Amino acid sequence: QKEVEQDPGPLSVPEGAIVSLNCTYSNSAFQYFMWYRQYSRKGPELLMYTYSSGNKEDGRFTAQVDKSSKYISLFIRDSQPSDSATYLCAMSATNFGNEKLTFGTGTRLTIIP
Amino acid sequence: DGGITQSPKYLFRKEGQNVTLSCEQNLNHDAMYWYRQDPGQGLRLIYYSQIVNDFQKGDIAEGYSVSREKKESFPLTVTSAQKNPTAFYLCASSWDRMNYEQYFGPGTRLTVT
Repeated sequence: QKEVEQDPGPLSVPEGAIVSLNCTYSNSAFQYFMWYRQYSRKGPELLMYTYSSGNKEDGRFTAQVDKSSKYISLFIRDSQPSDSATYLCAMSATNFGNEKLTFGTGTRLTIIP
Repeated sequence: DGGITQSPKYLFRKEGQNVTLSCEQNLNHDAMYWYRQDPGQGLRLIYYSQIVNDFQKGDIAEGYSVSREKKESFPLTVTSAQKNPTAFYLCASSWDRMNYEQYFGPGTRLTVT
């Protein structure tokens, strides 16, 4: 079993819809939870990070962490064609440089105009 | 402009040849990382370095080597011992106590035939 599971998709939704992306994990030591966005043939870029449990909102994006269920989500409101990308969840037990991030496989999202 | 540069974008090599991928950052970050990305798999850590002249193996270091002679530079050599070298290689950097916020380069796609 992988430490982090993420549905690879692909996921296609119409413009303006709410998108829900999810990851589950098995390592209860994870405390830092990240969402990276990766456009085709580019490097990933950090979208949001959350420490421990709870919600975090940034514009149209909301990250949610439920440590009791070992489940994290990213919601995108009012989705735009420019949101079409692969979304990678990542997790870490600490914030130190020698602590590796464990990535999900990524969910490929397409927003249909 | 601050950022990470990787060169070249595309690289083609014959089997049995060593090849070195370049990674340079001008963000003054302490930590640097090399990942490999394959279809259907998450990013997998090859090597990382927290300070100059020091680096550690990641999950899949076999067949790879690195050096960190300068803070700005972290080149990766893919040796002939790497069984499946064809992949998308990503370099990243971060502050030492902010491993959750990694800045990625644009990647190098290596094809070995």
